[in-house]
Amino acid sequence: DSGVTQTPKHLITATGQRVTLRCSPRSGDLSVYWYQQSLDQGLQFLIQYYNGEERAKGNILERFSAQQFPDLHSELNLSSLELGDSALYFCASSPHLTNTIYFGEGSWLTVV
Amino acid sequence: EDQVTQSPEALRLQEGESSSLNCSYTVSGLRGLFWYRQDPGKGPEFLFTLYSAGEEKEKERLKATLTKKESFLHITAPKPEDSATYLCAVQAEDDKIIFGKGTRLHILP
Repeated sequence: DSGVTQTPKHLITATGQRVTLRCSPRSGDLSVYWYQQSLDQGLQFLIQYYNGEERAKGNILERFSAQQFPDLHSELNLSSLELGDSALYFCASSPHLTNTIYFGEGSWLTVV
Repeated sequence: EDQVTQSPEALRLQEGESSSLNCSYTVSGLRGLFWYRQDPGKGPEFLFTLYSAGEEKEKERLKATLTKKESFLHITAPKPEDSATYLCAVQAEDDKIIFGKGTRLHILP
C-alpha cells in the first residue's frame, strides 16, 4: 500500500457526461501528479500540483481540469466525455518537487 | 523534447535466465531517473531512483545502473513472480516526470 488513495476505483458513464476523480496523497506529501494510462499510449503525464498551485502541465485536454485543495487532496474533472477517454487514471504524490513519486491504485473510467 | 524509450517492448525468459532491460532518455537537466514495476490493473510500484551517471542500486534480483544517455535494469536469475511490466521514467528540470512505454517481462517456469 503506497498510502495514496484514489476514488472511485471503477466508474462507468455515458458519452457527454462529466466525472470527478479524487486523490488523497500520502500524509505530508505536497506534490500531486495525474496520469492517464491507456493500452496503446502508456502512462501520459497530465498535470502536477505543488502545495495548491499548478506546477507543470502535460498533454491535458481542455475538457479536463484539476485542482489541489488546502488540505492537499486533489480532484481531476473530466467533462464532455468521449469513448477515447476510457482509461486508467492514476494519481501520484511526493513530499517535494524533486522526489520519487508514489502511485495510487488508479480509477478505471469506462465511457460507453 | 524530453523523451524516454524502453526496449525491448516485450521479453520472455526462462526461469533463471538473466537479462537486461534498456531505458534510453533525452531530457533537459536530468533531476532523476526512476524504475517502477507494474502488475496488470495495478498502480506502478516504485523500485529505484538514480540521480547521476555511474550510480547503481540493487534490490533482491534487480540492479539498476545509469549512464548519461541510458539506464539498464538487470534481472539476475529471475523467477516467475518477477513477471510484470517494468517502467522507466525521468524527471526533467521543469519538474515533469515522463514515462516510457515499458517492457513487458514474462518469466516462464
